[in-house]
Amino acid sequence: DQQVKQNSPSLSVQEGRISILNCDYTNSMFDYFLWYKKYPAEGPTFLISISSIKDKNEDGRFTVFLNKSAKHLSLHIVPSQPGDSAVYFCAASAGGTSYGKLTFGQGTILTVHP
Amino acid sequence: DGGITQSPKYLFRKEGQNVTLSCEQNLNHDAMYWYRQDPGQGLRLIYYSQIVNDFQKGDIAEGYSVSREKKESFPLTVTSAQKNPTAFYLCASSIGGFNTEAFFGQGTRLTVV
Repeated sequence: DQQVKQNSPSLSVQEGRISILNCDYTNSMFDYFLWYKKYPAEGPTFLISISSIKDKNEDGRFTVFLNKSAKHLSLHIVPSQPGDSAVYFCAASAGGTSYGKLTFGQGTILTVHP
Repeated sequence: DGGITQSPKYLFRKEGQNVTLSCEQNLNHDAMYWYRQDPGQGLRLIYYSQIVNDFQKGDIAEGYSVSREKKESFPLTVTSAQKNPTAFYLCASSIGGFNTEAFFGQGTRLTVV
């Protein structure tokens, strides 16, 4: 049962344009959401997060939007740069006893063309 | 320079042998985790530990074992009972508790031949 889903395996955008990566979840207990960036043969690096009490969080070129009623979140990258080309994972955790355990989506490969 | 160190980066083992992957952190984090990544899939949780001398099974614990004798260390043993051990293994740590992000090591690529 895939509780976190990234339905787009890949996304290709032009440098300078907006990249929008999407993520859906099914578990209503999830209350904290994160985005990670990963290069091949390396560990993921944390990008940005959002708590369920918010609907938007911004950090430089990265903005995460959360729509709790739709159980959907998205990551916007503006403007996109070639160095942003990587695999992006969304992840979610639940409060209570989850103690930081993360459930990950399958990832979306972002390619930014110069 | 704080971080998480996984060693080795590449590991080859013969089928039927047990192998132990190392993970050390100097971030003073309470919680540590092991994830596995397969091609085209997300990261799946193998085991996690909230405090020293305590650990819990994740979603795919069968064929794996761990120990947490020190706060800084969380080694993972891939046993011969693991049916498909070839994968990319990632160790992570966090301060634990709610709404915290995990920080990852560089990973170990295990290939069983």
